[in-house]
Amino acid sequence: DSGVTQTPKHLITATGQRVTLRCSPRSGDLSVYWYQQSLDQGLQFLIQYYNGEERAKGNILERFSAQQFPDLHSELNLSSLELGDSALYFCASSVGPGGIYEQYFGPGTRLTVT
Amino acid sequence: EDKVVQSPLSLVVHEGDTVTLNCSYEVTNFRSLLWYKQEKKAPTFLFMLTSSGIEKKSGRLSSILDKKELFSILNITATQTGDSAVYLCAVEAGNQGGKLIFGQGTELSVKP
Repeated sequence: DSGVTQTPKHLITATGQRVTLRCSPRSGDLSVYWYQQSLDQGLQFLIQYYNGEERAKGNILERFSAQQFPDLHSELNLSSLELGDSALYFCASSVGPGGIYEQYFGPGTRLTVT
Repeated sequence: EDKVVQSPLSLVVHEGDTVTLNCSYEVTNFRSLLWYKQEKKAPTFLFMLTSSGIEKKSGRLSSILDKKELFSILNITATQTGDSAVYLCAVEAGNQGGKLIFGQGTELSVKP
């Protein structure tokens, strides 16, 4: 158990809908990262927040957005869902902003869009 | 474009064998290289490497980084069936933040 928690574990929804994924980092960690894992693309970085501020951005779709709250938990919002958004979404956390800080992954949320 | 390439993509060995997994990278502003083990769900952290030539070791697993030749290896000695998993190599690069660029992974299967 890495100490990173994610809810829900599974989510099934229809195309066009909007969902929110939630992540709580390990105690003491200030950075939260979101990754998407699909069979054809592997693990892809989406976005990072450090102490409430956006720190780095990957190839995150405009339909996706995230934020980190004052208590350091983070939410990833996915809207206008398409079949291709079906994937495992991981949250990771680290102590610092990046570079030499290990990232620990949560158990993931499996999103199925039907 | 930053990229991380792992080889082989899959490997089948028998218990007791020693395996070497490879990871090569081409990135801008390298900061660190990380190895993860992924079984059914979340990747679990194994090693972080930042300096060339310094071996990191944990039990039967060890890893080393060569920043001149831009690669890393992960060795597993005396393999056990519990080592069966996908091993992921990731590189942290760029000017800010902790974006990890992942390789495709090596799927290791250890037969009894």
